[in-house]
Amino acid sequence: QKEVEQDPGPLSVPEGAIVSLNCTYSNSAFQYFMWYRQYSRKGPELLMYTYSSGNKEDGRFTAQVDKSSKYISLFIRDSQPSDSATYLCAMSANAGKSTFGDGTTLTVKP
Amino acid sequence: NAGVMQNPRHLVRRRGQEARLRCSPMKGHSHVYWYRQLPEEGLKFMVYLQKENIIDESGMPKERFSAEFPKEGPSILRIQQVVRGDSAAYFCASSHTRTATDTQYFGPGTRLTVL
Repeated sequence: QKEVEQDPGPLSVPEGAIVSLNCTYSNSAFQYFMWYRQYSRKGPELLMYTYSSGNKEDGRFTAQVDKSSKYISLFIRDSQPSDSATYLCAMSANAGKSTFGDGTTLTVKP
Repeated sequence: NAGVMQNPRHLVRRRGQEARLRCSPMKGHSHVYWYRQLPEEGLKFMVYLQKENIIDESGMPKERFSAEFPKEGPSILRIQQVVRGDSAAYFCASSHTRTATDTQYFGPGTRLTVL
């Protein structure tokens, strides 16, 4: 069983929709939770970073972490065609390596 | 302020040859991480290095793979006697410090194709 499971998608939504992306994990030691965006044939770009449980908002993006359920989410409001990409969740117990989900490919249609 | 640089961007090797992938971290960063991404999969951690030291190599295959980060110059990921299963995108990331709160910045990746 993988340490991090990510909703596989793909996901296709109309422009302006609210998008919900989700990951579950099994390792209780994870304390740091990240969401990366990866455009085709590019390197991942950090979108959101959260420590422990709680919510964090940045513009149209909101990250939620529920450590009791071992569940994290990324919400995108007012989605735009430029948001079309693969979204990767990642987690870390301490400094060093991050463990990634397999990614969810999102397409936002104009 | 240049970001993380990787070269080559694309590398084609025949089975049995050696592949050398280079990563120059962001200016001022002394921590480098290598990840491998197979098609339709997420990134899998391989190795974490600091200048002249391997900190964590728990994700490195036991044979044929090695990594270094010398005092001067880029970090090198070396794959000896490549096989078709080594075909993947290899990404490196760098950070300024070792703390978990320090952001890892990723390079554009090297796409290795083994014929």
